[in-house]
Amino acid sequence: DAGVIQSPRHEVTEMGQEVTLRCKPISGHDYLFWYRQTMMRGLELLIYFNNNVPIDDSGMPEDRFSAKMPNASFSTLKIQPSEPRDSAVYFCANGFPGGYTFGSGTRLTVV
Amino acid sequence: KQEVTQIPAALSVPEGENLVLNCSFTDSAIYNLQWFRQDPGKGLTSLLLIQSSQREQTSGRLNASLDKSSGRSTLYIAASQPGDSATYLCAVGDNTDKLIFGTGTRLQVFP
Repeated sequence: DAGVIQSPRHEVTEMGQEVTLRCKPISGHDYLFWYRQTMMRGLELLIYFNNNVPIDDSGMPEDRFSAKMPNASFSTLKIQPSEPRDSAVYFCANGFPGGYTFGSGTRLTVV
Repeated sequence: KQEVTQIPAALSVPEGENLVLNCSFTDSAIYNLQWFRQDPGKGLTSLLLIQSSQREQTSGRLNASLDKSSGRSTLYIAASQPGDSATYLCAVGDNTDKLIFGTGTRLQVFP
């Protein structure tokens, strides 16, 4: 099992552009989480899914952020339009309560 | 709202020392508590998971304890090694399956 796979590893984009982050979770696990990590605020939960259904998106900072999980093998986090303050490392994690596996993250820089 | 605090924020010790990292949380109604390790530029690796009914868990040189009533957990690292240098994060899980992370302790073990 390759674990949770995120792409791209690094993304540099200009302010105002659309950014799509991708996650391929481990098959067979019910939960999928998107986190954002910054120096100032640490790890923040943005949204999570259970069996592909969004359960709690209260951590999504603004309407510019959206996430989808069309099937158990794939999830996306989209930012449109992007802003410099969105610069952070975005992690996808999945598993079951008590057994979460994190991807290596996508480092997003918005200039 | 659950808040998780970790002290110290940073720690630098010589190789061979025994260490204690602290984690405190404000709401004792937790489902579990996990300790993670994060290497620079990498994702999170789960170290130990303690269920709410448990008092401690051990893995090799690591021992984590949990005192729910006082809202505290400690991670004990015995005979520290330079390879233990990383950021250590604790996270509490509630009955909604979310993980709330602390801000981390950055550990450096020098030879």
